[in-house]
Amino acid sequence: EIVLTQSPATLSLSPGERATLSCRASQSVSSYLAWYQQKPGQAPRLLIYDASNRATGIPARFSGSGSGTDFTLTISSLEPEDFAVYYCQQRSNWPPAYTFGQGTKLEIK
Amino acid sequence: EVQLVESGGGLVQPGGSLRLSCAASGFTVSSNYMSWVRQAPGKGLEWVSVIYSGGSTYYADSVKGRFTISRDNSKNTLYLQMNSLRAEDTAVYYCAREWWEGFGELLRFYGMDVWGQGTTVTVSS
Repeated sequence: EIVLTQSPATLSLSPGERATLSCRASQSVSSYLAWYQQKPGQAPRLLIYDASNRATGIPARFSGSGSGTDFTLTISSLEPEDFAVYYCQQRSNWPPAYTFGQGTKLEIK
Repeated sequence: EVQLVESGGGLVQPGGSLRLSCAASGFTVSSNYMSWVRQAPGKGLEWVSVIYSGGSTYYADSVKGRFTISRDNSKNTLYLQMNSLRAEDTAVYYCAREWWEGFGELLRFYGMDVWGQGTTVTVSS
């Protein structure tokens, strides 16, 4: 079973600052990694697929990078609506299973 | 509009059963891979089960043998039958559409691109 470890658990930043969130896989997942944003009381929203591609409607300030075991989600300049919890996710081929990281809470400093 | 709406959550005693529904609009459930994902109070996301467009089903070890995923094509609705419920099954349950691209060996999972609003299941005596 592939384990995804996100760091830091909590990130305190101010609007306008740059946020860098990390996701590390226990074994290589190639580029099969997605990132989600979840705000309180809401369902998750797909931000990034295939490690570095923005999903439809996602602002350009969000970017993803990495391959293999180390991945990064970067928010170039934080907007007030970006403060939320972020999860990474991967899918194992066999048996089919989906793993989420434990999440990084991005909070206003 | 592409949308998923869950229902069926509630309070149930340990050992009891519950069936969740997820009604889709704007797309066809049977043509997509569909998953259930849950989130315990204050915790992260946990994948529960998936049903492929071809009908194959898979489960997380934590629910295998107790939960059954299914769909009704005529109603364009996804279901999760939950039996032998435990306190640790308490969570918000989301249904989600999976986004895949490509064919054959080039088929790639991109993520879960459409989510319902969630339905709350509480297992308690």
